[in-house]
Amino acid sequence: AQSVTQLGSHVSVSEGALVLLRCNYSSSVPPYLFWYVQYPNQGLQLLLKYTSAATLVKGINGFEAEFKKSETSFHLTKPSAHMSDAAEYFCAVTKNSGGYQKVTFGIGTKLQVIP
Amino acid sequence: EAGVTQFPSHSVIEKGQTVTLRCDPISGHDNLYWYRRVMGKEIKFLLHFVKESKQDESGMPNNRFLAERTGGTYSTLKVQPAELEDSGVYFCASSHLQLTSGRGGTQYFGPGTRLTVL
Repeated sequence: AQSVTQLGSHVSVSEGALVLLRCNYSSSVPPYLFWYVQYPNQGLQLLLKYTSAATLVKGINGFEAEFKKSETSFHLTKPSAHMSDAAEYFCAVTKNSGGYQKVTFGIGTKLQVIP
Repeated sequence: EAGVTQFPSHSVIEKGQTVTLRCDPISGHDNLYWYRRVMGKEIKFLLHFVKESKQDESGMPNNRFLAERTGGTYSTLKVQPAELEDSGVYFCASSHLQLTSGRGGTQYFGPGTRLTVL
């Protein structure tokens, strides 16, 4: 079975500070990993995905994540937080089911950006 | 390109009533998925359609839930009769079917339907 664990259901950072949202995965096969974001009153939006190409993945809005197999981690970072980054972030992993994807999500991390 | 749309955005019903949620996937996406997030919990997979066929419905909670995708376009998820524990946000997602590998492409999610059962 595949799973992801997000450390910290709530994270607060000051505007301009580094954003670090932690995600560890468990997978018996090489995983496909994702970060999704949900802004208030909106749907889930794909931030970035890892599909076994480059280990450092760049996404939208200045976010990036690094796949570290030795640590089974896929942490999300952004050098400088902006007020508009306040949202809920979900780490996710795919599970092959007959060749098709079934996404398994973490519990989510709410990011608060303090002015 | 229009994204995944869901209707209604909110639904408040009483226990025992019936509710039908609708999802319109991105045009041309053969894969359609339903997920649910109960408050404070993870987003959980419910089921997966490839065109009009149910590929995997292992996440459906019980037989009070019925999903259809007639004609392989939009999908409906009916809850009958609704119970208190059915409250949550129901997400729909769609993706291309990658024929070369059989793997589905990146899933694009709709805004969700917030269901409240009183």
